[in-house]
Order: sequence, then structure tokens, then C-alpha cells
Amino acid sequence: EAQVTQNPRYLITVTGKKLTVTCSQNMNHEYMSWYRQDPGLGLRQIYYSMNVEVTDKGDVPEGYKVSRKEKRNFPLILESPSPNQTSLYFCASSPFVVDLNYGYTFGSGTRLTVV
Amino acid sequence: DAKTTQPPSMDCAEGRAANLPCNHSTISGNEYVYWYRQIHSQGPQYIIHGLKNNETNEMASLIITEDRKSSTLILPHATLRDTAVYYCIVGYSTLTFGKGTMLLVSP
Repeated sequence: EAQVTQNPRYLITVTGKKLTVTCSQNMNHEYMSWYRQDPGLGLRQIYYSMNVEVTDKGDVPEGYKVSRKEKRNFPLILESPSPNQTSLYFCASSPFVVDLNYGYTFGSGTRLTVV
Repeated sequence: DAKTTQPPSMDCAEGRAANLPCNHSTISGNEYVYWYRQIHSQGPQYIIHGLKNNETNEMASLIITEDRKSSTLILPHATLRDTAVYYCIVGYSTLTFGKGTMLLVSP
């Protein structure tokens, strides 16, 4: 089944403890992206990647890192999490040629709480 | 900032057509119009997209005005399971989500 898989689904951590949220897609998509969703603020893009070893900042990149060493994986790294990074996170992927695709495929989300 | 304007909420009776409007007056020539929906806190789900022509698939129809400054998503026979937040997005290689329209389908 074509899908984007995020892990973990739920995570509670303490301030300053480094964590990684994994994202993997099995559709050979070039484009991958991370979003966070907060009440009243909608979905905001954190980082995106057009292809392997190519990443760029989205609208809210502060406090986050990403890497794209392989086409299928796009992990989100919080080096020193803070409570304001408590949020619902989504990973998404799509083929780069947008007129041949069906838009983004999203993962099921990761609910992160930083205490 | 999102490039689209949508009403914050709409109601629809079950079995009736739901027509969700979207204004995108600053759309560029190569930007597509996308519609997604999000049920509760699940990952957003792609519905349909188009460039200039009207489009239809098994989920919905997309009507784009000739000047491309607005569009309408039509769910022909809304069901309770269509209750969700619907996002209208314009873009090409990266998509910016606004706050969407909360569609409530009632019995």
C-alpha cells in the first residue's frame, strides 16, 4: 500500500532532550515536507526537500533540523525541544512533477508534547 | 500568508450538494488550485486539483472560473462522513495551507 509512515504517533518528552520523528514513504517521491499544526494557526510548513540532499526552510524552521540522505526517508530532528514545539506534526510527500500527480500524501501525524 | 480566502464554516444537509467557495485573486499562471480535507486530527487528504479546466473525480468536482480568480468545490451528495475542514490551496511545487472551511454535514 502506498503510504507515508510517521513514527512515533505520540511522544511526550522533556525540555532539552533531543528527539527525532521519522518519516518514510514507499512511493519513490522526490518531494517531502514537514508541517506542524496548532489550534487557530492551521498547517505551517517547517522544512521541505525537493530531492536527496536538497532541503530548504519553510515558514517556521526555527528549532528544527532535517536531513534527506535517502529518497524514502525525511526525519525531523529537534535538537533541544521546548514547550512551544508542542504540536501535531505531519509529514507529506509527492512526485515533483505536480501535473502528473495526485497532490500530497500525508502521514497520520505525530502528536508531540514537550514538558 | 495563505493566498486564498475561504469562509470559516458552512453547513450542509445530508444528501444535498455541498458547494465550498474559494477566492484566489492573486493566483499565478502556473499555479494549480488544490483541495484537501482534514477529518478531525487525521492527516489531510487530497481531494482534487486543477489548473484551468473543470475537473471531476470520484470524490468531488472542481469548478474554476475563467479568470481563475475563484473556484468551487462541489461534493454532490454530502454524507455525515464528509464533515471536515476543507482547504483550498494554490501553488506549484510547495503548498501553503490556510485555515480552511469547517463543513458540518447534518442529518
